[in-house]
Amino acid sequence: GQNIDQPTEMTATEGAIVQINCTYQTSGFNGLFWYQQHAGEAPTFLSYNVLDGLEEKGRFSSFLSRSKGYSYLLLKELQMKDSASYLCAVLDSNYQLIWGAGTKLIIKP
Amino acid sequence: DGGITQSPKYLFRKEGQNVTLSCEQNLNHDAMYWYRQDPGQGLRLIYYSQIVNDFQKGDIAEGYSVSREKKESFPLTVTSAQKNPTAFYLCASSIAEVDEQFFGPGTRLTVL
Repeated sequence: GQNIDQPTEMTATEGAIVQINCTYQTSGFNGLFWYQQHAGEAPTFLSYNVLDGLEEKGRFSSFLSRSKGYSYLLLKELQMKDSASYLCAVLDSNYQLIWGAGTKLIIKP
Repeated sequence: DGGITQSPKYLFRKEGQNVTLSCEQNLNHDAMYWYRQDPGQGLRLIYYSQIVNDFQKGDIAEGYSVSREKKESFPLTVTSAQKNPTAFYLCASSIAEVDEQFFGPGTRLTVL
């Protein structure tokens, strides 16, 4: 079966750095997405990785290792508004998006 | 402003009633999707459509129906056959299936 694993919840301090991991086992791979979802709201796109390596976009970076079935989202200089759930999703060989359950990130002052 | 709209934001229905959730986009996207989100679970695909007048079942299509008569519109009907319809429903669209998806604000359906 297809599976995506993320930690259920993480806590970090304002101003710090946090890394949210995602491991996947899917039938094929056509890219990995990270989305941010604030409570009660719609997910919004953060990043897309299809090749190995690090993609940097402001305070957010995303890393991919296809051989290890592994990705992480790195958030720097954490702000209170970063408190949200972070969803990892993989596009499989049929171009279907397989979603992880999400990681709830709690930021403390 | 381009975007996706869903209405209403909150919807209450009695058990046994069918209900239709609307989804409209003015992004000129070909692909549209319906997801269901339950607490502690990832998004689950109900139906998707890659082109007008064509749609495919997702992982949990039972008890749901859709139509795609116009490029802009992809309404979802939750029928009385859906055993546990109370959930947060999200509509999304993308240029094509390989592209990032843009989501509407969602409809929270509660069946009493």
